[in-house]
Amino acid sequence: QKEVEQNSGPLSVPEGAIASLNCTYSDRGSQSFFWYRQYSGKSPELIMFIYSNGDKEDGRFTAQLNKASQYVSLLIRDSQPSDSATYLCAVNDNQGGKLIFGQGTELSVKP
Amino acid sequence: GAVVSQHPSRVICKSGTSVKIECRSLDFQATTMFWYRQFPKQSLMLMATSNEGSKATYEQGVEKDKFLINHASLTLSTLTVASAHPEDSSFYICSARSTGAINEKLFFGSGTQLSVL
Repeated sequence: QKEVEQNSGPLSVPEGAIASLNCTYSDRGSQSFFWYRQYSGKSPELIMFIYSNGDKEDGRFTAQLNKASQYVSLLIRDSQPSDSATYLCAVNDNQGGKLIFGQGTELSVKP
Repeated sequence: GAVVSQHPSRVICKSGTSVKIECRSLDFQATTMFWYRQFPKQSLMLMATSNEGSKATYEQGVEKDKFLINHASLTLSTLTVASAHPEDSSFYICSARSTGAINEKLFFGSGTQLSVL
């Protein structure tokens, strides 16, 4: 059973701080990794995707991938209350192209 | 990004009713569509994968006779919940991928909240 693991949280950070969200995956052959943001009652919204080891930055968001450790993370700099949401890590199943989701980490940014 | 339209956004129905949910890709051709279900405070669970013109592939534990999926065209997939019961109440979300490349990003519909009384 291929798995994607995240801390469910809630993770609480003050406004302006860096929020760090972590994810591990079990399938060593996975090649593509995604972070989605989901507000309550809404469908997921793609935030970042990363395919190669290292860091990928997009505005206040940085995705980090370490395939040797089977670990992917998302950093949110200068966190804002509007960033409060559940963040879902997703890993592509190389065999069937399915996206396998972690259970999500609830982030709360306090003003 | 690509737009995936999902309707209806909310359904409240009596037990035993069949409910049809539509998922359309508006500005691209979706070779593959995925249907997910999400219970409160839980993650998205893949129900089935549908490819245009062929039968859907269901995940283990998902009843194909209860959750009927039709992907008749490159822009439309439908999920029909046959004879819905209260335990089928959930948030159903479709997603679509524009090409056959497995690394291609998925775009999600806005979801359908199904409440079966």
